[in-house]
Amino acid sequence: GNSVTQMQGQVTLSEEEFLFINCTYSTTGYPTLFWYVQYPGEGPQLLLKVTTANNKGSSRGFEATYDKGTTSFHLQKASVQESDSAVYYCAQLSGSFNKLTFGAGTRLAVCP
Amino acid sequence: EAAVTQSPRNKVTVTGGNVTLSCRQTNSHNYMYWYRQDTGHGLRLIHYSYGAGNLQIGDVPDGYKATRTTQEDFFLLLELASPSQTSLYFCASSEKGAQDTQYFGPGTRLLVL
Repeated sequence: GNSVTQMQGQVTLSEEEFLFINCTYSTTGYPTLFWYVQYPGEGPQLLLKVTTANNKGSSRGFEATYDKGTTSFHLQKASVQESDSAVYYCAQLSGSFNKLTFGAGTRLAVCP
Repeated sequence: EAAVTQSPRNKVTVTGGNVTLSCRQTNSHNYMYWYRQDTGHGLRLIHYSYGAGNLQIGDVPDGYKATRTTQEDFFLLLELASPSQTSLYFCASSEKGAQDTQYFGPGTRLLVL
């Protein structure tokens, strides 16, 4: 079945450092891929999505490129701020188009 | 901005207890979802619905029932709660399915003793 893997459980950075969060997916075909972000005490919210292989999505300074060759959808940001501290979830759309499969999440802590 | 509310925000029950979690969305979205969130597992889909009276099974449905009474309201029922169901539960809605943005509620924290 479909699966999404986020190997990093926690990432700790200082402000203005570069962010890289790893995500790989496993499925057949060309799924739509998402990043959701969850701030403390809130529900998750959509950060960005990409529907087409080899395209890039971007939002609020974050970028992710859909790489069909490596089945990856890593999240990057050039310079993080303390306000970026949150849990980041990678997700893929299932073949039925009615369900998302989420990764385990990566907690980002940014120190001032 | 889509609005999804959940009640109660916190709930404590005992093993074998009966619990109902409520969710309401006010944007006339067709799809509604119930997830549980656990450390190391992320978000896992329990049940979802694409309209009043409809129910679809998610990825971790065992021990849960759900009912969609109206376009706005989606309920999650735990009829014989167990400690393994201690979790943070999120409801979400989307307009046309999971390919659209899902709007999440604030969550309900459930503790089963």
